[in-house]
Amino acid sequence: DIQMTQSPSSLSASVGDRVTITCRASQGIRNDLGWFQQKPGKAPKRLIYFASSLQSGVPSRFSGSGSGTEFTLTISSLQPEDFATYYCLQHNSFPWTFGQGTKVEIK
Amino acid sequence: EVQLLESGGALVQPGGSLRLSCAASGFTLSSYIMNWVRQAPGKGLEWVSGISADSGGTYHADSVKGRFTISRDNSKNMLFLQISDLRDEDTALYYCARGRGGYWGQGTLVTVSS
Repeated sequence: DIQMTQSPSSLSASVGDRVTITCRASQGIRNDLGWFQQKPGKAPKRLIYFASSLQSGVPSRFSGSGSGTEFTLTISSLQPEDFATYYCLQHNSFPWTFGQGTKVEIK
Repeated sequence: EVQLLESGGALVQPGGSLRLSCAASGFTLSSYIMNWVRQAPGKGLEWVSGISADSGGTYHADSVKGRFTISRDNSKNMLFLQISDLRDEDTALYYCARGRGGYWGQGTLVTVSS
């Protein structure tokens, strides 16, 4: 099974900061990775698909990069509505696996 | 408009069984892989089960293999998850999700407790 190691598990940042979250796969997954945002009490929302494609309707301050085993989600200028928990998901092979999550909190 | 509506969650005793359903609308179910994802209270997301568009392939996480069975009825636009031998650690909000996570339902709560 493919393990996804996500870091950091949490971070504190200010509005306007640049934020980077990383996921590392235990083996190569090409670009078969998505990034999700989840707010309390809500279903997850996909931000990025196939590692770097921006989901329709998602602000352009969100971007994804990487392939193989190293992936990054970047928020170029953190906004108040971005405080949430973020997850990566590999869908290269079953069983699909999520990263452990990164909680982005207000500094 | 794409909609996924889960149902069937309940309070169940350990060892019990349950069948979760997900009603799909606004798209052709038969064109998509479908998945179940769960989230225990205060915890992260856990992929549970997936099924190919034509039901030719079903897949389950090791944590539920042998106890959970995913199925679908494309003619009725329905996805199912049969869960048996429930354990305390199965307590979670269960979501159905289309494809690689482009759309999610709001979830149905399964609570395992005596």
